[in-house]
Amino acid sequence: QQKVQQSPESLSVPEGGMASFNCTSSDRNFQYFWWYRQHSGEGPKALMSIFSDGDKKEGRFTAHLNKASLHVSLHIRDSQPSDSALYFCAASDLPNYNVLYFGSGTKLTVEP
Amino acid sequence: AQTIHQWPVAEIKAVGSPLSLGCTIKGKSSPNLYWYWQATGGTLQQLFYSITVGQVESVVQLNLSASRPKDDQFILSTEKLLLSHSGFYLCAWSLEQGSNERLFFGHGTKLSVL
Repeated sequence: QQKVQQSPESLSVPEGGMASFNCTSSDRNFQYFWWYRQHSGEGPKALMSIFSDGDKKEGRFTAHLNKASLHVSLHIRDSQPSDSALYFCAASDLPNYNVLYFGSGTKLTVEP
Repeated sequence: AQTIHQWPVAEIKAVGSPLSLGCTIKGKSSPNLYWYWQATGGTLQQLFYSITVGQVESVVQLNLSASRPKDDQFILSTEKLLLSHSGFYLCAWSLEQGSNERLFFGHGTKLSVL
């Protein structure tokens, strides 16, 4: 059983719009979350981590974690065509992990 | 600045043939090292991790093995490739255990098994 579920599978937003991604852990031990994104032909790059309940904002990116429901979301405001990529949620059972479990990914297309 | 280099960039191999993929990290001593596998457009599956030279832990069994012969080098190999080994192989590093630092990935190796 996959430990991390992501939705939607794909998403299209207009330039300047808001893109939102969802992620849920099926294992209550996995409470530490990361967001990564991957442009075509490259390795993933970390966007941000969130380990505490509530919101965490970094520039145009805001993550929200609800530990009770093991739900985490990522929102990108003022989306740009360069944000078009595959977005992954990842979870671990420790903040100093050795094993990180990735979700299936959401493909974002930002239309100019 | 730290750099991560993976080789080769791409490989086309026959079923049953051997494989060796490599990864080198420069500019960081004693990093944690990781191997991931990714099906085309799919999720990332962690294969191995290594905290120190000579020690490698397996996360999933996919008829692959890994070794860390030097502090800055991580090797992924198999003696006999399967069709299911096709995909994108990514090496990554992070700071030493005890931190919550992010993973830094290489550009990956695209493997096609025919």
